[in-house]
Amino acid sequence: AQSVTQPDIHITVSEGASLELRCNYSYGATPYLFWYVQSPGQGLQLLLKYFSGDTLVQGIKGFEAEFKRSQSSFNLRKPSVHWSDAAEYFCAVVLNTNAGKSTFGDGTTLTVKP
Amino acid sequence: DTEVTQTPKHLVMGMTNKKSLKCEQHMGHRAMYWYKQKAKKPPELMFVYSYEKLSINESVPSRFSPECPNSSLLNLHLHALQPEDSALYLCASSQESGSSGRDEQFFGPGTRLTVL
Repeated sequence: AQSVTQPDIHITVSEGASLELRCNYSYGATPYLFWYVQSPGQGLQLLLKYFSGDTLVQGIKGFEAEFKRSQSSFNLRKPSVHWSDAAEYFCAVVLNTNAGKSTFGDGTTLTVKP
Repeated sequence: DTEVTQTPKHLVMGMTNKKSLKCEQHMGHRAMYWYKQKAKKPPELMFVYSYEKLSINESVPSRFSPECPNSSLLNLHLHALQPEDSALYLCASSQESGSSGRDEQFFGPGTRLTVL
């Protein structure tokens, strides 16, 4: 079945430490890939996206993500986490054959320790 | 202006009430979306409007009725809701929904709905 999986429900890191949030997808073709962040009580904000080309994409707020076709993964990274990064992170996919319909992973809650 | 606005911020309604949620964008986007988000869950797509026409309805119960009066506005009319409909309702817009799916969706802050 087609799916988007974020294996980590909750991650805690210390401020200044590096971060990696995992995202795996299961689709026949490579979908369009997105990472969104949601602060409590807020809507979602796009961090970055991948369609094709360079497999390492840069986003806002110092985030980057790497697409690995062989692993069907699109993991989000940040070299040094700030306390303001504490939020819910969602990986999402869109199939180019079903444009307009985003499928979200279940999300990863990031807690940042001082 | 890269903002999607939603009103009201919070709404409490009884099961017999009729209310409406409103969403507005002035980015010239031609696609608008309604999502429902339960606590600690991802957003679930409800409806997609493309060029003011309903293009996707994800089998949403008829007690939810969307309306797109013009390219900047999106409404969600609510009637005879159930307590399990309590959730955060998010509106989003994008340049277009149709051809590629590549367009970034801009989300509003949501309306927190409680059905008593």
